[in-house]
Amino acid sequence: EVKLLESGGGLVQPGGSLRLSCAASGFTFTDFYMSWIRQPPGKAPEWLGVIRNKANGYTTEYNPSVKGRFTISRDNTQNILYLQMNTLRAEDTAIYYCARYYGYNFDYWGQGVMVTVSS
Amino acid sequence: DVVMTQTPVSLSVSLGGQVSISCRSSQSLVHNNGNTYLSWYLQKPGQSPQLLIYKVSNRFSGISDRFSGSGSGTDFTLKISRVEPDDLGVYYCGQGTQYPNTFGAGTKLELK
Repeated sequence: EVKLLESGGGLVQPGGSLRLSCAASGFTFTDFYMSWIRQPPGKAPEWLGVIRNKANGYTTEYNPSVKGRFTISRDNTQNILYLQMNTLRAEDTAIYYCARYYGYNFDYWGQGVMVTVSS
Repeated sequence: DVVMTQTPVSLSVSLGGQVSISCRSSQSLVHNNGNTYLSWYLQKPGQSPQLLIYKVSNRFSGISDRFSGSGSGTDFTLKISRVEPDDLGVYYCGQGTQYPNTFGAGTKLELK
């Protein structure tokens, strides 16, 4: 069974940083692209970026809306996906999901973790 | 970016009824490889989105045949027949043809 479990969310001040983690299990982690997606309360999901699989060199793509502030990485020995978020703003407040990216869509999602940016 | 426009914003349906949700993209979703990467997701109250339909009309594992997707190019439709209580929530279309992946604003399905 595919499982994705996010952690690391919380309250952070504007300008601060936060790193989210996503523990993956139930599939061969290195075979799959992985993504981060966020959803502000009451709004639609927004794709943040993707990190490719081993066969594609673990390269990354980002949404221009967060490029330069957010970084996606992965620990393939522990099957963990990361999202490093810097220079956080109030508009970054959202539920953050990790998702497995397969066939150009998101076939499994985690339960999400809340990030609140406020002073 | 590809803009995904969903209509209607909300729908009221009786149990056992049928509904259709429309999704239009601002550009063709036909990929260079010939496939069309339009997906549908359902977000039930308090839950994460879940994949229902991929590549326009293919049901994801475990998804009932009451859900069907159709369309091409820039116009797509999700139909739900014999609506059940577990179908209620917000439906999103999404495109994976080009980065950044984008989603529609959602259609809320409620009971009449």
